[in-house]
Amino acid sequence: QKEVEQNSGPLSVPEGAIASLNCTYSDRGSQSFFWYRQYSGKSPELIMFIYSNGDKEDGRFTAQLNKASQYVSLLIRDSQPSDSATYLCAVTGDYKLSFGAGTTVTVRA
Amino acid sequence: DTAVSQTPKYLVTQMGNDKSIKCEQNLGHDTMYWYKQDSKKFLKIMFSYNNKELIINETVPNRFSPKSPDKAHLNLHINSLELGDSAVYFCASSGRELDTGELFFGEGSRLTVL
Repeated sequence: QKEVEQNSGPLSVPEGAIASLNCTYSDRGSQSFFWYRQYSGKSPELIMFIYSNGDKEDGRFTAQLNKASQYVSLLIRDSQPSDSATYLCAVTGDYKLSFGAGTTVTVRA
Repeated sequence: DTAVSQTPKYLVTQMGNDKSIKCEQNLGHDTMYWYKQDSKKFLKIMFSYNNKELIINETVPNRFSPKSPDKAHLNLHINSLELGDSAVYFCASSGRELDTGELFFGEGSRLTVL
């Protein structure tokens, strides 16, 4: 079983809509959860992190964490064409950051 | 000034050859990593070094040998290259507390094995 699983993409949304990305993880001891964005041909960059159950908002991005369900999500509100990228969920454990396979989001103008 | 720099950005080589990728970070971080990203975008950790000491080796074939001459540098040498080694290799660094989760990635080195 993979350590970090993300909903399969690609995900296509119209401009201005909400993009919803999901991630589950297998290690119940994981404490920290992250979303990275990777544009095509570029390196990943951190956009959000969350440690506590509940929601965390940063601009148009909202991360949601439910440790009991081992589930973390990312909502992108008012999606823009510049949000078109692959979004990688990452989870800490065993002194490393483990990534999911990523969900590719395309925002249609 | 680039925070994490890797060279070369592109390598094209034949099966069986040996190649090296170099990485340097100027962030003052203690920990450096090598990740491999395959064609399906899956980013998988290969090695982690903390202050020049190996702390993670994720069952990578021993054809891959990392070397950290100091905490600002982490190089990757690959012997006897195989087709399956074709991927983008990312170097990354993080500060003392991994739980901040912020990895700073280099631009990646795209390796193509023919």
